[in-house]
Amino acid sequence: AQKVTQAQTEISVVEKEDVTLDCVYETRDTTYYLFWYKQPPSGELVFLIRRNSFDEQNEISGRYSWNFQKSTSSFNFTITASQVVDSAVYFCALSALGGSNYKLTFGKGTLLTVNP
Amino acid sequence: DAGVIQSPRHEVTEMGQEVTLRCKPISGHNSLFWYRQTMMRGLELLIYFNNNVPIDDSGMPEDRFSAKMPNASFSTLKIQPSEPRDSAVYFCASSLVAREQYFGPGTRLTVT
Repeated sequence: AQKVTQAQTEISVVEKEDVTLDCVYETRDTTYYLFWYKQPPSGELVFLIRRNSFDEQNEISGRYSWNFQKSTSSFNFTITASQVVDSAVYFCALSALGGSNYKLTFGKGTLLTVNP
Repeated sequence: DAGVIQSPRHEVTEMGQEVTLRCKPISGHNSLFWYRQTMMRGLELLIYFNNNVPIDDSGMPEDRFSAKMPNASFSTLKIQPSEPRDSAVYFCASSLVAREQYFGPGTRLTVT
């Protein structure tokens, strides 16, 4: 069985602060994908990043960065110099690469509020 | 490029009525997913299709729910009869097999 845990249910920061969203996963599969999605107040779910289990290289995209550590089964997401527009619910998700069932297992989400 | 299209965006209906939600996936995507999101239960996968064939419907709550995908560019989720506890936001998503899913804007369903 697969499981994704986002222990932080809510985080509140002041604009320009850095913030890290934690994601810990469990899977018996040796090959898998990890994802982050953003759900702003408008409600749509926006894909941010996909990382496969073969690639532990960290990724940076503008103010966003992701730290994948297989040894600790974690895939954490850091926003540098946060902005009010970053306020959203962020979901971490996992899917297996083998077999025929590619459904995503989502965490419960972390509500990030960035205050001006 | 057009994203995933869902209709209607909002639906208000009375208990007992039939509700049909519609989804047009991104062209070329061969996997389609239906999700339901509520405050209490979060984001739940209801059913998903690969190449128009249902692969996993273990999340469909009960026989009142049914989903079809008659072709690669269209899917429906039907609730008959609807109940107040079905009130939620229903999302459709599509992807290439095992790749990231792209979500539609959702249908907000209210059953009174």
